[in-house]
Amino acid sequence: DGGITQSPKYLFRKEGQNVTLSCEQNLNHDAMYWYRQDPGQGLRLIYYSQIVNDFQKGDIAEGYSVSREKKESFPLTVTSAQKNPTAFYLCASSIRGTADEKLFFGSGTQLSVL
Amino acid sequence: DQQVKQNSPSLSVQEGRISILNCDYTNSMFDYFLWYKKYPAEGPTFLISISSIKDKNEDGRFTVFLNKSAKHLSLHIVPSQPGDSAVYFCAASAPRDMRFGAGTRLTVKP
Repeated sequence: DGGITQSPKYLFRKEGQNVTLSCEQNLNHDAMYWYRQDPGQGLRLIYYSQIVNDFQKGDIAEGYSVSREKKESFPLTVTSAQKNPTAFYLCASSIRGTADEKLFFGSGTQLSVL
Repeated sequence: DQQVKQNSPSLSVQEGRISILNCDYTNSMFDYFLWYKKYPAEGPTFLISISSIKDKNEDGRFTVFLNKSAKHLSLHIVPSQPGDSAVYFCAASAPRDMRFGAGTRLTVKP
């Protein structure tokens, strides 16, 4: 059963702590994305990657980091430099990363600050 | 800057009637438009899309209309069913740029 798996579903971060959100896909898609959703706002792009070992910043990359060492995996680290990390984080993938493709989303991770 | 706007945060309709969800965009470079549906505690799922070379695309009960001159698209659901109750996001894309609206919560009452 192909899809995108995000874990954990809920995550709590202490002040000054880095946390990593996992995203794995078995769809054999080249492109992967991380979005952030805040109440009353649309999804905002944090980072995206179209091929292994390459990724690009989105609109709100400050305070975040990513890696793409394997095609299947695109973890997102929320660093202590991200001052307002509380949000719902969505990982997505698409076949090639072109503008006319639909995205496949995971079920999301809710990050909260303790 | 909100390049894609869904001005109605919520919409309530009676089962069997038509639901019309609206979306406006500002960037004329957008040439592909998508609608996604999201249930609570799940990620969005793709619903329907339309290219800028068309003004209408239909898939079963769902139809998307695009008015390029007005930079406006709408999603029509006919007839609406209680299972359609969800948050609907519109998205607009250009090469290396996809923008999402804030979503409209649709409630279909039995």
